[in-house]
Amino acid sequence: SQQGEEDPQALSIQEGENATMNCSYKTSINNLQWYRQNSGRGLVHLILIRSNEREKHSGRLRVTLDTSKKSSSLLITASRAADTASYFCATVNNQAGTALIFGKGTTLSVSS
Amino acid sequence: GAVVSQHPSWVICKSGTSVKIECRSLDFQATTMFWYRQFPKQSLMLMATSNEGSKATYEQGVEKDKFLINHASLTLSTLTVTSAHPEDSSFYICSARVIREGSYGYTFGSGTRLTVV
Repeated sequence: SQQGEEDPQALSIQEGENATMNCSYKTSINNLQWYRQNSGRGLVHLILIRSNEREKHSGRLRVTLDTSKKSSSLLITASRAADTASYFCATVNNQAGTALIFGKGTTLSVSS
Repeated sequence: GAVVSQHPSWVICKSGTSVKIECRSLDFQATTMFWYRQFPKQSLMLMATSNEGSKATYEQGVEKDKFLINHASLTLSTLTVTSAHPEDSSFYICSARVIREGSYGYTFGSGTRLTVV
């Protein structure tokens, strides 16, 4: 099962530009997490935002959470070619166990 | 800290054979591990939740007799793909839950690329 949708599915930008990815989810949550995956590799945890937080920053990352709309966004500022990867939001469905359920992901391509 | 080691990183096997994938928590005890499957250009799909000392819980549509999960210790969970077929070719990733930032976080193995020929 998947929690929801991410958009865009694919995003191509130039180095230095900002990249914004959106995620929607379906159930009540305690927190929402963003992960990065380089092609054919494992996942790297980027940032966690709790349900009582509206915005969180970590370096060039900015995450927002709107629980009324069941949506979140990830902003990467001043993107670099090394940011090229797939990005997934993930939540735990409070009613169904403790596993992370992932969105469909956004594939980001940053060209130099 | 909180590292999960997954092996092998890739494997090629013949149709009809079985393949075992291991995930070990190196510096913590993992009472619960999760197994995901990821097809090319798609997201991770949860296959099953593995609990130490008890039977795994499989997601709807996942054949428990085909994907055998064993979690016999607090540091090791294994996924065995039995009688593999080409359609089982995929990227398999394990994950364990850890405490992070005062809440639960998750750490992932580096994945296993399975190709069945």
